[in-house]
Amino acid sequence: EVQLVESGGALVQPGGSLRLSCAASGFTFINYWMAWVRQTPGTGLEWVANIKQDGSETYYVDSVKGRFTISRDNAKTSVYLQMNSLRAEDTAMYFCARVKYYDSRLYYFDNWGQGALVTVSS
Amino acid sequence: DIQMTQSPSSLSASVGDTVTITCRASQSINIYLNWYQQKPGKAPKILIYAASNLQSGVPSRFSGSGSGTDFTLTISSLQPEDYATYYCQQSYLSPRTFGRGTEVDIK
Repeated sequence: EVQLVESGGALVQPGGSLRLSCAASGFTFINYWMAWVRQTPGTGLEWVANIKQDGSETYYVDSVKGRFTISRDNAKTSVYLQMNSLRAEDTAMYFCARVKYYDSRLYYFDNWGQGALVTVSS
Repeated sequence: DIQMTQSPSSLSASVGDTVTITCRASQSINIYLNWYQQKPGKAPKILIYAASNLQSGVPSRFSGSGSGTDFTLTISSLQPEDYATYYCQQSYLSPRTFGRGTEVDIK
């Protein structure tokens, strides 16, 4: 059974940093791209970042470029999201998700974790 | 960014009803459209990918259609466990954007 378990969510002050972790199990981790997706009541679901199987390619939504870094440790079957210079608008539930490709262009998130809540507030 | 517009934003339906949710993209996205279901307090779950392909394990009462800019999710014979929020997501261009969701509740 595929399992994705996030940790690291917390209350943090504006301008602060936080690192989310996602421990994966139940599948061959090195075969998959991984992603972070966030959700807020106000803006809904928003894709945040993707990382390739070997970590050689990463992609980000414009609103987090230069502030967030996605990484992975294939030996530990884990993916991470380092979040710096946090803003109030980064407050959200952050989900780790496995990326499944249908073809070279279309992909979808076929397994999700339970989420980690990040609150940015003074 | 490609904007995804879902309608309606909410609907009420009875068990056994057929429910139709639409999703419109701000530009053509071919068939690069996915549908997710989310229940309160849970993560989204993939239902349909590439507009009409049913994810393994998803009941056949769920179906998707469309191409270009207009897409439809249909739930035939609504079941109690189908009360949830449904989201479309385009996978044509980055950033892969989602619709704002359609909440299906009990009539």
